[in-house]
Amino acid sequence: QKEVEQNSGPLSVPEGAIASLNCTYSDRGSQSFFWYRQYSGKSPELIMFIYSNGDKEDGRFTAQLNKASQYVSLLIRDSQPSDSATYLCAVETSGSRLTFGEGTQLTVNP
Amino acid sequence: EAGVAQSPRYKIIEKRQSVAFWCNPISGHATLYWYQQILGQGPKLLIQFQNNGVVDDSQLPKDRFSAERLKGVDSTLKIQPAKLEDSAVYLCASSPTRGREWQYFGPGTRLTVL
Repeated sequence: QKEVEQNSGPLSVPEGAIASLNCTYSDRGSQSFFWYRQYSGKSPELIMFIYSNGDKEDGRFTAQLNKASQYVSLLIRDSQPSDSATYLCAVETSGSRLTFGEGTQLTVNP
Repeated sequence: EAGVAQSPRYKIIEKRQSVAFWCNPISGHATLYWYQQILGQGPKLLIQFQNNGVVDDSQLPKDRFSAERLKGVDSTLKIQPAKLEDSAVYLCASSPTRGREWQYFGPGTRLTVL
């Protein structure tokens, strides 16, 4: 089992729709969770982090965490073509290492 | 504020050759990371420095990879000798504390091993 798994893509949504990106992790001791966005040919940039169970909202982005289910998700409301990118889930695993999933490629169609 | 600088941006070498990458973190950032990102995968941590000390190098293939961070500022990552499977983007990141939330990535070095 991979330490961090993301829903397989690519994911395609129409402009204005809600994009839902999911991630599960195997280390029950993980405490910190991050979402990075990576445009093609560019480096990752942090867009959200969450530590506590529940929802965390920042503009059009909402991160959701359920530690009992070992599940973290990212919702993007009112998706825009500029949101088209690969979204990487990262989890702080044992030894305080940041472990990334393989990413989900999102395309928002105008 | 200047971002994380890396050079070169691209490098093509033959297998068994050596290569070195350079990274200059954001000024004042104590923690520096080197990641390897193979096409279609997420970044994998190779080594983490806190100032000029190594915090985590458990995933660094030490038979061929080495890294140093002299004076706690810039860092170099070396591969000697390179293998075909080393073809990847090598990302450097830095953060102001040991926490992960403000980890800033450089533009990366794309390495192709022929």
